[in-house]
This record gives sequence, C-alpha cells and structure tokens, in this order.
Amino acid sequence: DAKTTQPPSMDCAEGRAANLPCNHSTISGNEYVYWYRQIHSQGPQYIIHGLKNNETNEMASLIITEDRKSSTLILPHATLRDTAVYYCIVGGSQGNLIFGKGTKLSVKP
Amino acid sequence: EAQVTQNPRYLITVTGKKLTVTCSQNMNHEYMSWYRQDPGLGLRQIYYSMNVEVTDKGDVPEGYKVSRKEKRNFPLILESPSPNQTSLYFCASSSGARPQHFGDGTRLSIL
Repeated sequence: DAKTTQPPSMDCAEGRAANLPCNHSTISGNEYVYWYRQIHSQGPQYIIHGLKNNETNEMASLIITEDRKSSTLILPHATLRDTAVYYCIVGGSQGNLIFGKGTKLSVKP
Repeated sequence: EAQVTQNPRYLITVTGKKLTVTCSQNMNHEYMSWYRQDPGLGLRQIYYSMNVEVTDKGDVPEGYKVSRKEKRNFPLILESPSPNQTSLYFCASSSGARPQHFGDGTRLSIL
C-alpha cells in the first residue's frame, strides 16, 4: 500500500498558486518525499523531491513540516498545462517507489 | 538527451502469443523497474532491478518475467499473455536517491 494520503481532486484558478497537500505520517528517517505528475496517459514526470529541508526548483516548491509527517507541493502560478494527476511518494535511496492514486488537479481559466 | 525508451509503444496481440517489451536507458542508471497502470488502480510495480543480474518481484509479478543482462536494458517478457494483462506499461530508471525517469509507455491489448 502507498505510504501517503492525498485528496483525490482539487481545483485551482489559472494564474493562482496551487497548493497540494500530502500526509506521510509513517515516513522513516532515511526516506525522501518525491512528487511526480502525470498528464493524461504520458509517463510520470518528476517535479521535485526533498528529505528534510524545503526545496525549490524551476517548476515548484516543496514544503516539508518539521516532523516530516506531511508536505505541500506549491505550483506558484498554475497554468492550464499544469492540469494533471500529482503523486506524492515516499521512498528510500534505492528507487523503489510505491505510487498511490494521487490528486487530480484541474486548473480552470 | 537522457531518456528511457520503450518499444513498442502500442501492440495488439492474441492470448498465448509470447511477447517482449523492450526498455533501454542511456543514463547508466543502476535501478530499473516496470509498472503497469490500470484505471482506478494507479501505477503498480511489476518487477525491479537494482543492478545487472539482480532482479526482484514488485507488487504484481504474476505472468511476467524480466532479465537484466546489461545495465542499459530491462526487457519485460510475457510468456503466455492473457487478456487481464491488457494495460498501459511504463519502464523507469534511476540512480541512488535521484528521481526516476519514466518512458513514454507501452499500451498492450491482449485479445
């Protein structure tokens, strides 16, 4: 079973920030938090990952709580092309990732 | 360009006719894996490989075989395909804690 809990769906207005939450209360000390997204039936696309500290890249920001039991992916200015299913995954250093059902984000004009 | 290449992208075949879906990566990654994706069930891991000649079962290995004779290739073999293996398949590769790169997918239909 997936080790994460995400809302099944969310809406966001175009140009606004999209904040996608994820609970991972059983995360262990050496496990990373990864975020991927899947647009329609394309291959999942890596967005960002982190261990303890908040991370930012050209696509998004990742905020991890101090106890590491939850995180939030932030898309600062959502566009229609950000409509996708977003997966939050926890995993170790060996790459074995278990995908859950993710959050279907709909960005609306 | 770093990529994971799957072939074929689409295949329609019949029950019992052996088939192989190839997966190749050009990033010298140690780790490779296969997933299947079905409506309502998300991505489920079939097999994975930590390195050459090292493979292990994922969550749904029944009816599948894999091999890892070379670092870059990780073929998925269906010895006797059945209709319940109709699905969308993805291959992925990674190295250490770095994120996985996914292929574009292979849509298999088994009649």
